[in-house]
Amino acid sequence: DIVMTQSPDSLAVSLGERATINCKSSQSVLYSSNNKNYLAWYQQKPGQPPKLLIYWASTRESGVPDRFSGSGSGTDFSLTISSLQAEDVAVYSCQQYYTPPLTFGGGTTVEIK
Amino acid sequence: EVQLVESGGGLVQPGGSLRLSCAASGFTVSNYYMSWVRQAPGKGLEWVSILYSSGTTYYADSVKGRFTISRDNSKNTLYLQMNSLRAEDTAVYYCARGRQQQLGWFDPWGQGTLVTVSS
Repeated sequence: DIVMTQSPDSLAVSLGERATINCKSSQSVLYSSNNKNYLAWYQQKPGQPPKLLIYWASTRESGVPDRFSGSGSGTDFSLTISSLQAEDVAVYSCQQYYTPPLTFGGGTTVEIK
Repeated sequence: EVQLVESGGGLVQPGGSLRLSCAASGFTVSNYYMSWVRQAPGKGLEWVSILYSSGTTYYADSVKGRFTISRDNSKNTLYLQMNSLRAEDTAVYYCARGRQQQLGWFDPWGQGTLVTVSS
């Protein structure tokens, strides 16, 4: 199974500042035949289901603000919120869809400092 | 509008059974890879099972042999039959739509249904 490890578990960032969340996979999720990384990022607010933010590691879902960006390749990935807004307080999770079981990271809680 | 609505959760004793349903609208369930994902109280997301459009199924090791994913094309509904339930199966269960014809991200998700396993 591919193990997804996120860091940090939580972080507190001032409004308008940058927040960066890391996700590491235990094996590469880069599919060589199409050069795509099989990794997605989700945002989950309290009492709500997860919401898709990013897929293919760096493609922003339609309607997602451009302050959210994804980067990385192979086994090391990041989600960056360039200028934190109050509505961004949530838990963020990465997920690999390279192969079943489709594993998630443990989640990172983003709070306002 | 694409929508998923789960039902069937509730309180069940250890060793008991439940069947969760996920009614889909705005798309055809049989054309997509459909999954169940659960979240124990205060914990992260745990993928449970997937049903490919071809009918192939996969399960997390934690539920293999106890849970069965299926669909009813006539009702455009996804199911999760859960047997031999354990306390550690207590969670909110979400159904989620994947991509057509291949593995991918999950979008959208249902609102979830709570399953509590306790005596």
